Amino acid sequence: GQQLNQSPQSMFIQEGEDVSMNCTSSSIFNTWLWYKQDPGEGPVLLIALYKAGELTSNGRLTAQFGITRKDSFLNISASIPSDVGIYFCAGLFSGSARQLTFGSGTQLTVLP
Amino acid sequence: GAVVSQHPSRVICKSGTSVKIECRSLDFQATTMFWYRQFPKQSLMLMATSNEGSKATYEQGVEKDKFLINHASLTLSTLTVTSAHPEDSSFYICSAILAGANVLTFGAGSRLTVL
Repeated sequence: GQQLNQSPQSMFIQEGEDVSMNCTSSSIFNTWLWYKQDPGEGPVLLIALYKAGELTSNGRLTAQFGITRKDSFLNISASIPSDVGIYFCAGLFSGSARQLTFGSGTQLTVLP
Repeated sequence: GAVVSQHPSRVICKSGTSVKIECRSLDFQATTMFWYRQFPKQSLMLMATSNEGSKATYEQGVEKDKFLINHASLTLSTLTVTSAHPEDSSFYICSAILAGANVLTFGAGSRLTVL
């Protein structure tokens, strides 16, 4: 099946720093999604990407759909304490959400 | 935006009992809902696809008699963990897809603890 490698697994950063995380796939996707999960909560959609090369921002978050369609990155600028959580990428090739593949997650800790 | 409500958020039960978890799409109709299981510090694992008016599609390795899914209406899917055992303790999350969109909206999850 499709494999998603997400890195880094965890990050400890100082408040105000920028953060970057990425996902690579063994096969191509036609949709990339980035979610954030707070402890004890379900994932919340941050950014959806539908086209190779697409660069999309949502406030301090920016994500890009790689040209090869096998990778995506998420950047967070000027991190704040509430950015703490687990960030998941998810890729979809076909039109069925059943085929959605999740990355292993990046645990982000923001130090004051 | 699309909202998915999940209930209960936490449940503790004795071994051998059954537990029902509800997943509702609040402001849209969802012909398809998905049930995931998440272990601590791990990613989401798809258990089954819940189809309104028909049988659920289970992923390989998921026991359909153990995890009963019912999708009786366009806004409600239920997951029943039958004869629960401690190894069933986990975080269960449902999601739904808004028709015409390729995006999943997740519920807040249900933490099941089986004693």
